[in-house]
Amino acid sequence: AQSVTQLDSHVSVSEGTPVLLRCNYSSSYSPSLFWYVQHPNKGLQLLLKYTSAATLVKGINGFEAEFKKSETSFHLTKPSAHMSDAAEYFCVVSDLGGFKTIFGAGTRLFVKA
Amino acid sequence: DGGITQSPKYLFRKEGQNVTLSCEQNLNHDAMYWYRQDPGQGLRLIYYSQIVNDFQKGDIAEGYSVSREKKESFPLTVTSAQKNPTAFYLCASSIEFKPQHFGDGTRLSIL
Repeated sequence: AQSVTQLDSHVSVSEGTPVLLRCNYSSSYSPSLFWYVQHPNKGLQLLLKYTSAATLVKGINGFEAEFKKSETSFHLTKPSAHMSDAAEYFCVVSDLGGFKTIFGAGTRLFVKA
Repeated sequence: DGGITQSPKYLFRKEGQNVTLSCEQNLNHDAMYWYRQDPGQGLRLIYYSQIVNDFQKGDIAEGYSVSREKKESFPLTVTSAQKNPTAFYLCASSIEFKPQHFGDGTRLSIL
């Protein structure tokens, strides 16, 4: 069985400071992991994906995530937050084929000027 | 550019009425999905289809119906049996081994 837990429902940072959005997963086999971003009244946009290649994954807009199997974590980071990063972020786990997909509850990121 | 088009963007339903949400993709993806999004609950799968003329129930299929007559189209009908239909509905598509690609959603409200 698969599951995904986003550890924070809300995160607030100041512009120019680092961002950390935490995600833990559970999977009975080697999973595919993704981070998506959603701006208000929009669909989800893929930020990055992990599919058993390099454990440090770089995505769009300066985001990256590190797959840590021993900790079953896939935390999303960005060195310096921008106002445009304010959105909701979803951690997602799926089977290799991509059909069985589980979404986390989401973390809303607030960026203060 | 290829993508997924959902229409309408906003939809209102009266009591006892069925409404249909449109989802069209020109990505040549085999699989299509419908999700419901409520505040603080992430996305929940309503129905999915891996191939034309075939579809399966997701986690919350009661009160919804779908069809998949064409590869490009996967309309969702919210029936009067769905007692709490107010939500944001997202359609997605994918090909095997690739992440899902999403439309911009339809927001459904009750009059």
